[in-house]
Amino acid sequence: GAGVSQTPSNKVTEKGKYVELRCDPISGHTALYWYRQSLGQGPEFLIYFQGTGAADDSGLPNDRFFAVRPEGSVSTLKIQRTERGDSAVYLCASSSGTYYTGELFFGEGSRLTVL
Amino acid sequence: TQLLEQSPQFLSIQEGENLTVYCNSSSVFSSLQWYRQEPGEGPVLLVTVVTGGEVKKLKRLTFQFGDARKDSSLHITAAQPGDTGLYLCAGSSGTYKYIFGTGTRLKVLA
Repeated sequence: GAGVSQTPSNKVTEKGKYVELRCDPISGHTALYWYRQSLGQGPEFLIYFQGTGAADDSGLPNDRFFAVRPEGSVSTLKIQRTERGDSAVYLCASSSGTYYTGELFFGEGSRLTVL
Repeated sequence: TQLLEQSPQFLSIQEGENLTVYCNSSSVFSSLQWYRQEPGEGPVLLVTVVTGGEVKKLKRLTFQFGDARKDSSLHITAAQPGDTGLYLCAGSSGTYKYIFGTGTRLKVLA
């Protein structure tokens, strides 16, 4: 597909479980972002990658959250010991990374529900 | 910490009315973007502004970047039901990191 793909689209888990959310960006995009969005709110920045490295992870709320992008393409957001407060839509976006005013292309998100 | 406050938070208007959405911060941004998001989808870019005082028009939408690059506005003329959605501003301080605003939920009634 030509757009940003996120899987799963919905994930229901129990408190304390481990969760992985996957993002497949637009081919050739070097910048990749993860945001978290609660209902009716603006997306909250978590982390962004330039290539394989995390250029800014200042938005990760605590050490239960971790993200990787080992080959500079697909990224995985990992959440350990999930809590009910982690319930939200997790959005992934990519951009060409050529200039900082570039457009962010978003996926449809992964809705996480922690029971 | 950079914060972008949007107002109003909610807006419900009749088709044909005009409206303005505001995006304000105490921080200076190098560039500011406006996105629209519909339920179940990711935000989609409407416009990018980079120069203080810049005005851009996109059909019935007019975007302005404040002279001091701390605020922005989005004006919609003759709103239509298709304009319904969550409007988001997003600012960058000259890096690839974009901070999003609190959002304005617009509903246009036919």
